[in-house]
Amino acid sequence: AQSVAQPEDQVNVAEGNPLTVKCTYSVSGNPYLFWYVQYPNRGLQFLLKYITGDNLVKGSYGFEAEFNKSQTSFHLKKPSALVSDSALYFCAVRGPSGGYNKLIFGAGTRLAVHP
Amino acid sequence: NAGVTQTPKFQVLKTGQSMTLQCAQDMNHNSMYWYRQDPGMGLRLIYYSASEGTTDKGEVPNGYNVSRLNKREFSLRLESAAPSQTSVYFCASTTKGIATNEKLFFGSGTQLSVL
Repeated sequence: AQSVAQPEDQVNVAEGNPLTVKCTYSVSGNPYLFWYVQYPNRGLQFLLKYITGDNLVKGSYGFEAEFNKSQTSFHLKKPSALVSDSALYFCAVRGPSGGYNKLIFGAGTRLAVHP
Repeated sequence: NAGVTQTPKFQVLKTGQSMTLQCAQDMNHNSMYWYRQDPGMGLRLIYYSASEGTTDKGEVPNGYNVSRLNKREFSLRLESAAPSQTSVYFCASTTKGIATNEKLFFGSGTQLSVL
């Protein structure tokens, strides 16, 4: 069965420092991986995805994610955090096959960037 | 361009009452989805509609019904609300469907409390 884990409920970072939000997955075959962000009182917004190709994927707002097949991870990174990056981040996975047409979302990680 | 619009934004129900959550998208998308978001559990798929005229169950369909009224609109109905249905509900849409690895576009959500 497909699953995704976000091991940290919250990540605290000082503004200007690099940030990492962790995600590990379990899926049979090749995974299709996504990151979404949710700002307060808003719906989720797409950040980036890994389908195939280069293991380093660049996305919106300066975020990037590194796909590591041996560690089954897809960590979200940003070189220099901004206070405005404070939000709830969700990792999601879609396997190559499944009973139906869906994404499996992680529980979410709250990112708090302090001035 | 409004994107995905959900109504209402907030609702309080008593146990046993019924209500319909409305969702409309103006992006000419074929596929639409209803998710619920609960703390610590990420997003879980309730129902989806791959195209106009079709609907299918997701992970947690019990207690819900849906109607794909036309290409734009996809409603979610709670026939007899229960406290376990207290949650934030999100509607999402995409052009061809999750199986094509497209990004989802989300509405801003409906916060529902069942007393």
